[in-house]
Amino acid sequence: DAKTTQPPSMDCAEGRAANLPCNHSTISGNEYVYWYRQIHSQGPQYIIHGLKNNETNEMASLIITEDRKSSTLILPHATLRDTAVYYCIVRGGYNFNKFYFGSGTKLNVKP
Amino acid sequence: GAVVSQHPSRVICKSGTSVKIECRSLDFQATTMFWYRQFPKQSLMLMATSNEGSKATYEQGVEKDKFLINHASLTLSTLTVTSAHPEDSSFYICSASSSSGQETQYFGPGTRLLVL
Repeated sequence: DAKTTQPPSMDCAEGRAANLPCNHSTISGNEYVYWYRQIHSQGPQYIIHGLKNNETNEMASLIITEDRKSSTLILPHATLRDTAVYYCIVRGGYNFNKFYFGSGTKLNVKP
Repeated sequence: GAVVSQHPSRVICKSGTSVKIECRSLDFQATTMFWYRQFPKQSLMLMATSNEGSKATYEQGVEKDKFLINHASLTLSTLTVTSAHPEDSSFYICSASSSSGQETQYFGPGTRLLVL
């Protein structure tokens, strides 16, 4: 039921910005875009979410395109501890409160 | 804030026994809790949704008599794997949200179950 598409893996140099894309071309008007990450053998950690507008918090920025069919999670200064699997999830609509995880993007931050 | 705990963190049991996993929201009241399982190198799969004081709703293909869920209070949900078999070995993760699912889900650290 996952409605998002993400690249399976990405590399990023430590200290540089990591830009993780997500395609959600079938998103509907009342569905939110959520981002979580999972470090090996731990539970997922909430990062950020948004509906239409770009969002920023202490962890990351979320850029949502005007047509809402894709988004980008930006980690402004990646560190080695940001190495994780990043999941982009669309939540809302008929299954308003459920999360269906796709396969995510494995971000490898390298020194 | 928004801390979710799970107990135990890992458990080993014999085939045929039942195992109970607890999920607690420590600093908020969780109207809705969710249970997921994750096999090695795979993504999380939603098993069921539980609302406080009512029966859990299970995803298609998840046996409700095999995976018993109880959400008796606003801070505690339990998952019991009944008559566990080796194929039930997995990483079980719960999450909680603070209202009727309209808020962000916060995840527990997970419970690793190994059935021998």
